[in-house]
Amino acid sequence: DQQVKQNSPSLSVQEGRISILNCDYTNSMFDYFLWYKKYPAEGPTFLISISSIKDKNEDGRFTVFLNKSAKHLSLHIVPSQPGDSAVYFCAAKDSGNTPLVFGKGTRLSVIA
Amino acid sequence: ETGVTQSPTHLIKTRGQQVTLRCSSQSGHNTVSWYQQALGQGPQFIFQYYREEENGRGNFPPRFSGLQFPNYSSELNVNALELDDSALYLCASSLWHDPYGYTFGSGTRLTVV
Repeated sequence: DQQVKQNSPSLSVQEGRISILNCDYTNSMFDYFLWYKKYPAEGPTFLISISSIKDKNEDGRFTVFLNKSAKHLSLHIVPSQPGDSAVYFCAAKDSGNTPLVFGKGTRLSVIA
Repeated sequence: ETGVTQSPTHLIKTRGQQVTLRCSSQSGHNTVSWYQQALGQGPQFIFQYYREEENGRGNFPPRFSGLQFPNYSSELNVNALELDDSALYLCASSLWHDPYGYTFGSGTRLTVV
């Protein structure tokens, strides 16, 4: 049973346009949500996060939106740049000392 | 501030063999988690170590075992390797109780033939 789902394996976007990556979860106990970016031959690097008490968090070109009632979050990248091309993982955890639960990832390609 | 270092970066083993993967934590971190990332999948939690004891385990058989040392570095041991163990093994260090501060290493790519 997959608790964190990223239903789009890949996404292709023109440079300068908005990229929207989606993530759904099933565990209502999740309190923390994180997005990681992963380049080939590197480990995941933290991008942005949001806690369940908020519905939006913004950091530069990156914004994460959380809809708790729908158990859905999304990552918006505006404007998209070729260097954003990577695999993006959505991850979640509850408030205890439990591990991060990851989705399968979405491969973003930003075309110049 | 040093990051998380994993060794080796790649290795090839034969089915039935044993392997040990190593991870050094980021300075100041006291918790280490190990994840397995199979091709096309997201990282799957194997186990977590805090204060040199296993504190949480995912759905992995006992032939996956680990250690954490007093300097917070860690080892992942896998016995009786199977072909399906071929994957990228990621180590992440963090501070106990910090939900956001995970730092991942670049991983060890294990191929079992």
